[in-house]
Amino acid sequence: GAVVSQHPSWVICKSGTSVKIECRSLDFQATTMFWYRQFPKQSLMLMATSNEGSKATYEQGVEKDKFLINHASLTLSTLTVTSAHPEDSSFYICSANSGASGRRDEQFFGPGTRLTVL
Amino acid sequence: GDSVTQMEGPVTLSEEAFLTINCTYTATGYPSLFWYVQYPGEGLQLLLKATKADDKGSNKGFEATYRKETTSFHLEKGSVQVSDSAVYFCALSERAGGFKTIFGAGTRLFVKA
Repeated sequence: GAVVSQHPSWVICKSGTSVKIECRSLDFQATTMFWYRQFPKQSLMLMATSNEGSKATYEQGVEKDKFLINHASLTLSTLTVTSAHPEDSSFYICSANSGASGRRDEQFFGPGTRLTVL
Repeated sequence: GDSVTQMEGPVTLSEEAFLTINCTYTATGYPSLFWYVQYPGEGLQLLLKATKADDKGSNKGFEATYRKETTSFHLEKGSVQVSDSAVYFCALSERAGGFKTIFGAGTRLFVKA
C-alpha cells in the first residue's frame, strides 16, 4: 500500500517551453503532497507543500510563478515548470502523507522525474 | 529553523562490517525522526522512524535511537551487505510544520564484497 507514482519519469524539452509533471497517490487519498528538487549527489530541497483544494505553500526562494502547483483532487498534484531554462534541469520528486492515524508524519515518495532543458 | 546534519560520505565498507552514520538535528518543537533510503535508480523509502525520546526504530537490521539529550539519531547496522549500498537520508518532521520533512544532505554507502 501507499504507492505514489510520477509521470513522466523523464522529459527533455527546449528552453522556453513549459513542462507538467504529475504526482498520483495510487491506493490512498493524500490531502497533502510535497514537491522536492534534488540536485546530483545532493539532498532533497523542499519546494512547496500542496494541499488539496487550496493554494500551495512555497518555500522561501522558490518562484511560485515559475513552478505552478495544482492539487485538484485527493490523488493528484501537478507541478508545471513554466518557461523552462537549462538551470531548471533537475530531478523533481513528489511525496505524500498517508494520513493514516499515527503515521501522518511519514511520507511516501514517487520515483522522481528527470527534467532536462536544452 | 529546523535542520538536520549528517556525516558526509561516501562511506565505503567491506561486507559484514559495522556501520554507523551520524545524524544530529535542531528543532523548535518535538519532531519525529526518520531514516530514509534511496537505492540506485529507485525512489526514497522509509527505513525506520522514532517519534519520542529513547524510542528505537529498527528495520532490516538497521537501528537508530532517538536521543533528545544529544539531539541525535545515529543509524547503525551490525553487519552490512552489498545490497545495503544506497544513499541514506536522516530527516525530521513536525506536526507544527504541517508534517513537512526536513532532510539531511544524505550519506552514500558503498559495501564491497
